[in-house]
Amino acid sequence: NAGVTQTPKFQVLKTGQSMTLQCAQDMNHEYMSWYRQDPGMGLRLIHYSVGAGITDQGEVPNGYNVSRSTTEDFPLRLLSAAPSQTSVYFCASSIGQGVQPQHFGDGTRLSIL
Amino acid sequence: DQQVKQNSPSLSVQEGRISILNCDYTNSMFDYFLWYKKYPAEGPTFLISISSIKDKNEDGRFTVFLNKSAKHLSLHIVPSQPGDSAVYFCAARARGAGNMLTFGGGTRLMVKP
Repeated sequence: NAGVTQTPKFQVLKTGQSMTLQCAQDMNHEYMSWYRQDPGMGLRLIHYSVGAGITDQGEVPNGYNVSRSTTEDFPLRLLSAAPSQTSVYFCASSIGQGVQPQHFGDGTRLSIL
Repeated sequence: DQQVKQNSPSLSVQEGRISILNCDYTNSMFDYFLWYKKYPAEGPTFLISISSIKDKNEDGRFTVFLNKSAKHLSLHIVPSQPGDSAVYFCAARARGAGNMLTFGGGTRLMVKP
């Protein structure tokens, strides 16, 4: 019963490098989203998807790219990493577009030097 | 400006007593509110929610109260247990916003045995 799986758990990058944070869910959920958590700021929505082939921007989308080719996977790409993107990233999924409790992965801790 | 605020970064309570966590919001379009609990190195987990058409929702030891006129909600935990020690996030959804959530900055609850 995996739920939402995020890889890697930790990553250190140099400024300017690119990388993809992976997120997979096995609950057949339509809705998936990416958040970043920074001290005192709570979780802020980066991008979300309401189904395969459909993505949209959240509150803080700049510097990030997403795609949703399957129901299960929702990768987050950092195109050119910047120190301001040092954060903990959480992927979440829920069963539908209405307000449903979201199931979160355990996060990826990303440091950019 | 943060639309959802948790003004107490931390709270310490004795085991068996009541824990009261507070959350204030500014957006009148918010119509659904959720509380999430987060342990270190794990993702947030859904705890309890309330619709704006209600003023109270109860689930076991957890009760959420909503005061729409004051734009304030609170989470009561009675009795508090050491296992409740975690960071608690308040989140809100605006009418018509699907499942997009705005989170508060979190309150760290410590329940002392």
